[in-house]
Amino acid sequence: DIQMTQSPSSLSTSVGDRVTITCRASQTIRSYLNWYQHKPGKAPQLLIYGASTLHTGVPSRFRGSGSGTDFTLTISSLQPEDCATYYCQQSYITPLTFGPGTKVDIK
Amino acid sequence: QVQLVQSGAEVKKPGASVKLSCKSSGYTFTDYNIHWVRQSPGQGLEWMGRINPHSGDTEYAQKFQGRVTMTRDTSISAAYMELRGLRSDDAAVFYCARWGYGDGLDIWGQGTMVAVSS
Repeated sequence: DIQMTQSPSSLSTSVGDRVTITCRASQTIRSYLNWYQHKPGKAPQLLIYGASTLHTGVPSRFRGSGSGTDFTLTISSLQPEDCATYYCQQSYITPLTFGPGTKVDIK
Repeated sequence: QVQLVQSGAEVKKPGASVKLSCKSSGYTFTDYNIHWVRQSPGQGLEWMGRINPHSGDTEYAQKFQGRVTMTRDTSISAAYMELRGLRSDDAAVFYCARWGYGDGLDIWGQGTMVAVSS
């Protein structure tokens, strides 16, 4: 199975700050990397697929980049509604695997 | 609108089985695979498997092989996930989700909480 890691595991920062989350795969997954936002008590929501394509309706402050084994999710200017846990997921090969998540809080 | 609506919360005893439903609306059910994802308390997301609603073809994570069965009823645009031999560590929120054309799980059900307790 492909193992996914994320860093940091959590972060706390101010509204308006730039947030960067990294995701690493244990082997190459080309660009088969998706990002999800998950808020407590709600269903996860797809943010980015194919490493860098913004899903419909997702604000442009979210940006994904990377290929191969190393990927990044960037929030250009953190908003209060962005408080959530963010997961990366590889879809290169089954079993699909998720990273452990990065919890983002407002300081 | 496009949505997946899941069945309600369940409480089961250890060793029992649970069968969850996921009803789609707003799109052609047979055009998109349905996946099931589990989130145990305080844990991350875990992929359980998927079903092709058109063919009925399934693929399961090895961890759940032999204990899980995914089925569908195209007449009512619903998918089902049955998990047998429940243990206390199976207590979780189970989500169904649609695999989008681009990639990724683009539509999610609201989740079904399953408690396992004697």
